[in-house]
Amino acid sequence: AQSVTQLGSHVSVSEGALVLLRCNYSSSVPPYLFWYVQYPNQGLQLLLKYTTGATLVKGINGFEAEFKKSETSFHLTKPSAHMSDAAEYFCAVYNNAGNMLTFGGGTRLMVKP
Amino acid sequence: DTGVSQNPRHKITKRGQNVTFRCDPISEHNRLYWYRQTLGQGPEFLTYFQNEAQLEKSRLLSDRFSAERPKGSFSTLEIQRTEQGDSAMYLCASSFNRPDYGYTFGSGTRLTVV
Repeated sequence: AQSVTQLGSHVSVSEGALVLLRCNYSSSVPPYLFWYVQYPNQGLQLLLKYTTGATLVKGINGFEAEFKKSETSFHLTKPSAHMSDAAEYFCAVYNNAGNMLTFGGGTRLMVKP
Repeated sequence: DTGVSQNPRHKITKRGQNVTFRCDPISEHNRLYWYRQTLGQGPEFLTYFQNEAQLEKSRLLSDRFSAERPKGSFSTLEIQRTEQGDSAMYLCASSFNRPDYGYTFGSGTRLTVV
């Protein structure tokens, strides 16, 4: 079954700095990969997804992610962090065995002024 | 499109009581999912429906948990004889029957068992 691992449960960056949140997946078939963001006491919102085609995908709020099959990675980046980016970010993979999304443990992004 | 709606937003209950949560999905979506999220963790799959049929249940879903989706519209999740370990955020999501589509989540119901 497919799974994801998010390295770093907490990441702290300064406002204006590069954001890099790491996600590695395990899958025996071509994966469908997703990044979600969760603000306090809210549900999850889809940031971007990779299904097929272009390996660099762009999402909302200036985020993008690159699918690298050789590294089994799908890291999330943003060139310049804003205070409003402070939230919890989850990587997910579509699990063919159960027909559902399997989520990583999440990374809390903190942005310092 | 009013999104996925969950009620109540918060529920505090005493240990041993029964609770029921409701989820109203996006009307065009035929799939509905329930996840549980504890503090500092990612969402864990509980169960899902395609239309009115419950197609998959996690081992996390003990006999005290039951979910229904009558007529393939809204869904309810009931927890009987609640325990302190049931305290969590319960998330509902809906989607089309397409693995590339992704989910639309509701805001969740936060359950506190005291």
